Amino acid sequence: EVQLLESGGGLVQPGGSLRLSCAASGITFSTYAMSWVRQAPGKGLEWVSTISNNGASTYYADSVKGRFTLSRDNSNNRLYLQMNSLRAEDTAIYYCTKALPIIITLWDSWGQGTLVTVSS
Amino acid sequence: EIVLTQSPATLSLSPGERATLSCRASQSVSGYLAWYQQKPGQAPRLLIYDASNRATGIPARFSGSGSGTDFTLTISSLEPEDFAVYYCQQRSKWPLTFGGGTKVEIK
Repeated sequence: EVQLLESGGGLVQPGGSLRLSCAASGITFSTYAMSWVRQAPGKGLEWVSTISNNGASTYYADSVKGRFTLSRDNSNNRLYLQMNSLRAEDTAIYYCTKALPIIITLWDSWGQGTLVTVSS
Repeated sequence: EIVLTQSPATLSLSPGERATLSCRASQSVSGYLAWYQQKPGQAPRLLIYDASNRATGIPARFSGSGSGTDFTLTISSLEPEDFAVYYCQQRSKWPLTFGGGTKVEIK
Protein backbone atom coordinates (compact mmCIF):
# COMPACT_ATOMS: atom_id res chain seq x y z
CA GLU A 1 0.00 0.00 0.00
CA VAL A 2 1.28 3.43 -0.94
CA GLN A 3 1.82 5.79 1.98
CA LEU A 4 2.84 9.42 1.70
CA LEU A 5 3.49 11.17 4.99
CA GLU A 6 4.02 14.92 4.96
CA SER A 7 5.72 16.89 7.71
CA GLY A 8 7.23 20.30 8.30
CA GLY A 9 4.15 22.48 8.21
CA GLY A 10 3.41 25.10 10.83
CA LEU A 11 3.05 28.78 11.57
CA VAL A 12 5.60 31.13 9.99
CA GLN A 13 5.80 34.89 9.66
CA PRO A 14 5.58 36.59 6.27
CA GLY A 15 9.00 36.56 4.63
CA GLY A 16 10.01 33.44 6.52
CA SER A 17 10.96 29.97 5.34
CA LEU A 18 9.80 26.41 5.84
CA ARG A 19 10.87 23.07 4.46
CA LEU A 20 8.22 20.46 3.87
CA SER A 21 9.11 16.81 3.70
CA CYS A 22 7.23 13.82 2.33
CA ALA A 23 8.22 10.28 3.27
CA ALA A 24 7.06 7.66 0.78
CA SER A 25 6.62 3.96 1.45
CA GLY A 26 5.06 1.02 -0.35
CA ILE A 27 6.45 2.09 -3.74
CA THR A 28 9.69 2.08 -5.67
CA PHE A 29 10.07 5.79 -5.08
CA SER A 30 12.67 6.40 -7.76
CA THR A 31 10.28 5.29 -10.51
CA TYR A 32 7.69 7.99 -10.01
CA ALA A 33 7.44 11.70 -10.58
CA MET A 34 6.18 13.52 -7.51
CA SER A 35 4.34 16.76 -6.95
CA TRP A 36 2.94 19.13 -4.37
CA VAL A 37 -0.62 20.39 -4.66
CA ARG A 38 -2.02 22.90 -2.18
CA GLN A 39 -5.42 23.97 -0.99
CA ALA A 40 -6.09 27.24 0.79
CA PRO A 41 -8.65 26.95 3.63
CA GLY A 42 -12.11 26.49 2.13
CA LYS A 43 -10.79 26.91 -1.41
CA GLY A 44 -9.98 24.78 -4.42
CA LEU A 45 -6.89 22.90 -5.48
CA GLU A 46 -3.74 24.54 -6.86
CA TRP A 47 -0.80 22.71 -8.39
CA VAL A 48 2.50 23.93 -6.92
CA SER A 49 5.41 21.94 -8.33
CA THR A 50 6.45 18.67 -9.99
CA ILE A 51 9.76 16.80 -10.10
CA SER A 52 10.68 13.98 -12.46
CA ASN A 53 11.53 10.55 -11.11
CA ASN A 54 15.29 11.15 -11.27
CA GLY A 55 15.12 14.78 -10.16
CA ALA A 56 16.49 16.08 -13.44
CA SER A 57 13.42 18.14 -14.28
CA THR A 58 11.35 20.41 -12.11
CA TYR A 59 8.30 22.52 -12.87
CA TYR A 60 6.74 25.33 -10.84
CA ALA A 61 3.58 27.35 -10.75
CA ASP A 62 4.22 31.01 -11.52
CA SER A 63 2.94 31.91 -8.05
CA VAL A 64 5.89 30.12 -6.38
CA LYS A 65 8.62 30.28 -9.02
CA GLY A 66 11.81 31.74 -7.62
CA ARG A 67 10.66 31.24 -4.02
CA PHE A 68 10.06 27.49 -3.74
CA THR A 69 12.51 24.70 -4.60
CA LEU A 70 11.48 21.09 -5.07
CA SER A 71 13.98 18.29 -4.60
CA ARG A 72 14.07 14.59 -3.83
CA ASP A 73 16.30 12.00 -2.20
CA ASN A 74 15.67 8.68 -3.93
CA SER A 75 18.02 6.81 -1.60
CA ASN A 76 15.79 7.72 1.36
CA ASN A 77 12.42 7.84 -0.42
CA ARG A 78 11.87 11.49 0.46
CA LEU A 79 10.51 14.54 -1.30
CA TYR A 80 11.27 18.07 -0.14
CA LEU A 81 9.77 21.49 -0.75
CA GLN A 82 11.89 24.41 0.39
CA MET A 83 9.66 27.45 0.72
CA ASN A 84 11.25 30.88 1.08
CA SER A 85 9.88 34.42 1.16
CA LEU A 86 6.54 33.11 2.31
CA ARG A 87 3.44 35.21 1.86
CA ALA A 88 0.00 35.16 3.42
CA GLU A 89 -1.38 33.72 0.19
CA ASP A 90 0.82 30.65 0.62
CA THR A 91 -1.34 29.62 3.57
CA ALA A 92 -2.77 26.23 2.64
CA ILE A 93 -2.76 22.52 3.20
CA TYR A 94 0.10 21.12 1.14
CA TYR A 95 -0.43 17.64 -0.29
CA CYS A 96 2.38 15.38 -1.43
CA THR A 97 1.28 13.43 -4.48
CA LYS A 98 2.58 10.50 -6.50
CA ALA A 99 2.19 10.47 -10.27
CA LEU A 100 0.78 7.66 -12.33
CA PRO A 101 3.32 5.46 -14.07
CA ILE A 102 4.62 7.36 -17.15
CA ILE A 103 2.14 10.24 -16.81
CA ILE A 104 3.89 12.76 -14.55
CA THR A 105 1.01 15.20 -14.52
CA LEU A 106 -1.69 13.06 -12.88
CA TRP A 107 -1.73 11.85 -9.30
CA ASP A 108 -3.14 8.56 -8.02
CA SER A 109 -1.87 8.74 -4.45
CA TRP A 110 -2.07 11.66 -2.07
CA GLY A 111 -0.84 12.21 1.47
CA GLN A 112 -3.13 13.62 4.14
CA GLY A 113 -1.49 17.01 3.88
CA THR A 114 0.41 19.38 6.12
CA LEU A 115 -0.91 22.81 7.02
CA VAL A 116 1.23 25.88 6.40
CA THR A 117 0.04 29.12 7.95
CA VAL A 118 1.77 32.37 7.05
CA SER A 119 0.79 35.06 9.48
CA SER A 120 2.29 37.65 11.79
CA GLU B 1 -2.57 29.55 -18.49
CA ILE B 2 -5.57 27.37 -19.25
CA VAL B 3 -8.60 28.30 -17.18
CA LEU B 4 -11.08 25.56 -16.32
CA THR B 5 -14.63 26.58 -15.48
CA GLN B 6 -16.84 24.07 -13.72
CA SER B 7 -20.62 24.19 -13.59
CA PRO B 8 -22.79 24.20 -11.71
CA ALA B 9 -21.06 25.32 -8.53
CA THR B 10 -23.49 23.22 -6.50
CA LEU B 11 -25.68 20.32 -7.56
CA SER B 12 -28.47 19.24 -5.21
CA LEU B 13 -29.63 15.70 -5.91
CA SER B 14 -31.07 12.67 -4.15
CA PRO B 15 -29.44 9.25 -3.86
CA GLY B 16 -30.19 7.20 -6.95
CA GLU B 17 -30.35 10.21 -9.23
CA ARG B 18 -28.02 10.90 -12.13
CA ALA B 19 -25.40 13.63 -11.75
CA THR B 20 -23.95 15.51 -14.69
CA LEU B 21 -21.00 17.83 -14.03
CA SER B 22 -19.42 20.10 -16.60
CA CYS B 23 -15.88 21.40 -17.11
CA ARG B 24 -15.06 23.91 -19.83
CA ALA B 25 -11.52 24.87 -20.81
CA SER B 26 -10.45 28.31 -22.04
CA GLN B 27 -8.56 26.61 -24.87
CA SER B 28 -8.34 23.09 -26.19
CA VAL B 29 -6.78 20.54 -23.85
CA SER B 30 -7.31 17.74 -26.37
CA GLY B 31 -8.30 14.75 -24.21
CA TYR B 32 -6.00 15.57 -21.32
CA LEU B 33 -8.57 16.17 -18.65
CA ALA B 34 -8.96 14.43 -15.30
CA TRP B 35 -11.57 14.40 -12.56
CA TYR B 36 -10.94 14.15 -8.81
CA GLN B 37 -13.31 13.64 -5.91
CA GLN B 38 -12.73 15.22 -2.51
CA LYS B 39 -14.69 14.50 0.64
CA PRO B 40 -14.54 16.79 3.70
CA GLY B 41 -11.32 16.41 5.63
CA GLN B 42 -9.83 14.05 3.06
CA ALA B 43 -7.32 14.30 0.27
CA PRO B 44 -8.60 14.24 -3.31
CA ARG B 45 -8.94 10.95 -5.17
CA LEU B 46 -8.38 10.45 -8.89
CA LEU B 47 -11.54 9.23 -10.62
CA ILE B 48 -11.10 9.72 -14.35
CA TYR B 49 -8.06 10.56 -16.47
CA ASP B 50 -7.63 11.51 -20.10
CA ALA B 51 -11.31 12.37 -20.32
CA SER B 52 -12.81 8.89 -20.12
CA ASN B 53 -10.47 6.41 -18.42
CA ARG B 54 -11.48 5.27 -14.96
CA ALA B 55 -8.65 5.11 -12.46
CA THR B 56 -7.93 1.89 -10.61
CA GLY B 57 -10.73 0.84 -8.30
CA ILE B 58 -13.24 3.45 -9.45
CA PRO B 59 -16.79 2.11 -9.77
CA ALA B 60 -18.41 1.89 -13.20
CA ARG B 61 -21.12 4.39 -12.23
CA PHE B 62 -18.51 7.09 -12.79
CA SER B 63 -17.90 7.97 -16.43
CA GLY B 64 -16.24 10.80 -18.28
CA SER B 65 -16.61 12.17 -21.77
CA GLY B 66 -15.57 15.06 -23.94
CA SER B 67 -12.64 16.47 -25.86
CA GLY B 68 -11.22 19.83 -26.81
CA THR B 69 -12.83 22.35 -24.49
CA ASP B 70 -15.97 20.65 -23.15
CA PHE B 71 -16.00 17.75 -20.73
CA THR B 72 -18.57 15.95 -18.62
CA LEU B 73 -18.39 13.75 -15.55
CA THR B 74 -21.47 11.58 -15.10
CA ILE B 75 -22.44 9.62 -12.02
CA SER B 76 -25.16 7.30 -13.25
CA SER B 77 -26.86 6.66 -9.91
CA LEU B 78 -25.68 8.54 -6.84
CA GLU B 79 -24.64 6.50 -3.83
CA PRO B 80 -24.52 8.11 -0.37
CA GLU B 81 -20.70 8.13 -0.49
CA ASP B 82 -20.68 10.13 -3.75
CA PHE B 83 -21.75 13.39 -2.14
CA ALA B 84 -18.54 15.37 -2.30
CA VAL B 85 -16.71 18.07 -4.25
CA TYR B 86 -15.46 17.25 -7.73
CA TYR B 87 -12.58 18.98 -9.49
CA CYS B 88 -11.41 18.81 -13.07
CA GLN B 89 -7.72 19.19 -13.95
CA GLN B 90 -5.93 19.66 -17.26
CA ARG B 91 -2.53 18.26 -18.11
CA SER B 92 -2.31 19.57 -21.65
CA LYS B 93 -0.01 22.49 -20.86
CA TRP B 94 2.07 23.81 -18.01
CA PRO B 95 1.06 25.20 -15.61
CA LEU B 96 -1.28 22.43 -14.62
CA THR B 97 -4.62 23.89 -13.58
CA PHE B 98 -7.76 22.85 -11.77
CA GLY B 99 -11.34 23.97 -12.06
CA GLY B 100 -13.03 25.66 -9.14
CA GLY B 101 -15.02 22.57 -8.20
CA THR B 102 -18.62 21.36 -8.16
CA LYS B 103 -20.18 20.38 -4.87
CA VAL B 104 -22.67 17.54 -5.12
CA GLU B 105 -24.93 17.78 -2.10
CA ILE B 106 -27.87 15.80 -0.82
CA LYS B 107 -31.21 17.34 -1.71
